[in-house]
Amino acid sequence: GAVVSQHPSRVICKSGTSVKIECRSLDFQATTMFWYRQFPKQSLMLMATSNEGSKATYEQGVEKDKFLINHASLTLSTLTVTSAHPEDSSFYICSASDGGTQYFGPGTRLLVL
Amino acid sequence: KQEVTQIPAALSVPEGENLVLNCSFTDSAIYNLQWFRQDPGKGLTSLLLIQSSQREQTSGRLNASLDKSSGRSTLYIAASQPGDSATYLCAVRGLGGSEKLVFGKGTKLTVNP
Repeated sequence: GAVVSQHPSRVICKSGTSVKIECRSLDFQATTMFWYRQFPKQSLMLMATSNEGSKATYEQGVEKDKFLINHASLTLSTLTVTSAHPEDSSFYICSASDGGTQYFGPGTRLLVL
Repeated sequence: KQEVTQIPAALSVPEGENLVLNCSFTDSAIYNLQWFRQDPGKGLTSLLLIQSSQREQTSGRLNASLDKSSGRSTLYIAASQPGDSATYLCAVRGLGGSEKLVFGKGTKLTVNP
C-alpha cells in the first residue's frame, strides 16, 4: 500500500516551453502533497506544500508564478514549470501524506535545453 | 532555521563490514527523524522513522539511534552487502503540526564485493 506515482519519469524540453508533472497517490487519499527539487549532490529542497482545494504554500525563494501547483483532488497534484530555462533542469520529487506519513514518488528528471 | 548535516558525504567499504552513518541537526525541537535510501535517479524509500520520544529503531540489519538533546542520529548497517550501495538521507520533521521535512545532503555508500 501507500504508493505514489509520478508522470512523466523523464522529460526533455526546449527553453521557453512549459512542462507539467503529475503526482498521484494510487491507493490512499492524500490530505497534503509536497513538491521537492533536488540538484546533483544536493539535498531535497521543499518547494511548496499543497492541500486539496486550496492554494499552495510556497517556500521562500520559490516563484509561485513560475512553478504552478494544482491540487484538484485528494489523489492528484500537478506541478507546471512555466517558461522553463536550463537552470530549471533538476530532479523533481513529490510526496503525498495521509496525515501522518509522507510517501515519496519516484521522481521526474527534467532537462531543459 | 533547522539545518541537517550528514557525515561523511561518501563512504566506500568492503562487503561484510559494519558501518555507521551520521546525521546532526541544529534544532532539537523535532517531531521525528527519518532515514531514507535513494538509488541513483530514483525516489526515496523510507528505512526507519524514530519519534522524538524514542531512542532507537531497528529493521533487519539496520539500526537507527536518536539523541535529541545533542541533535544527533546514527544509522548502523550490519554486515553490509553490495545491494546496500545507495545514498542515505536523513530528514527531520519539526514541531508545530507542520509535516515539512528538512533533509541532509546524504551519504553516498558504496559496498564493494
